[in-house]
Amino acid sequence: DIVMTQTPLSSPVTLGQPASISCRSSQSLVHSNGNTYLSWLQQRPGQPPRLLIYKVSNRFSGVPDRFSGSGAGTDFTLTISRVEAEDVGFYYCMQATEFPWTFGQGTKVEIK
Amino acid sequence: EVQLVESGGGLIQPGGSLRLSCAVSGFSVSGRYMTWVRQTPGKGLECVSVIYGGDITYYTDSVRGRFTISRDISKNTVHLQMNSLRGDDTAVYYCARGENGMDVWGQGTTVTVS
Repeated sequence: DIVMTQTPLSSPVTLGQPASISCRSSQSLVHSNGNTYLSWLQQRPGQPPRLLIYKVSNRFSGVPDRFSGSGAGTDFTLTISRVEAEDVGFYYCMQATEFPWTFGQGTKVEIK
Repeated sequence: EVQLVESGGGLIQPGGSLRLSCAVSGFSVSGRYMTWVRQTPGKGLECVSVIYGGDITYYTDSVRGRFTISRDISKNTVHLQMNSLRGDDTAVYYCARGENGMDVWGQGTTVTVS
């Protein structure tokens, strides 16, 4: 199984300041078709997960442009350019390149 | 509006069975990647099962042989039949569309095996 490792596990941030989360996979996420199926999801308290970013850097419909994704191969980053109060919650990376699809442990973003 | 609504969770004794349903509106489940994902405080998010293409299925090792995913095109619904339930199957179970990762999620249904 591909292991997804996120750092940090907790990220206290100041409102209006940037935040970034790293995700490393135990093997390359480049699929044989050339796509890299790395996604980022947000889970607010009491809510189901919500897709933010797919295929490394594509923002999903309705996602604010302060969220961006980058990376390649085995190393990926989610960046929030200016954290807002509504961004509090857990963030997960997920790979869908190979079964079983696997998730990172989650990173808790909270306001200082 | 695209919407997934899960049902069928509850409290069940070890060894029992439950059938989860995911009622879909706003798109057809036919040919789509549809998944069941479970979440526990201890193990986080886990993709339990996927159905895609011409009803090709995938199961994570811990449920293979006990769980069965299926879809009913006429009712636009996806099911997860869970047999021989164990304590470590206790979780919130989400139905999600497996496009671009997992782009649409239901609210979840709670399964407690005790």
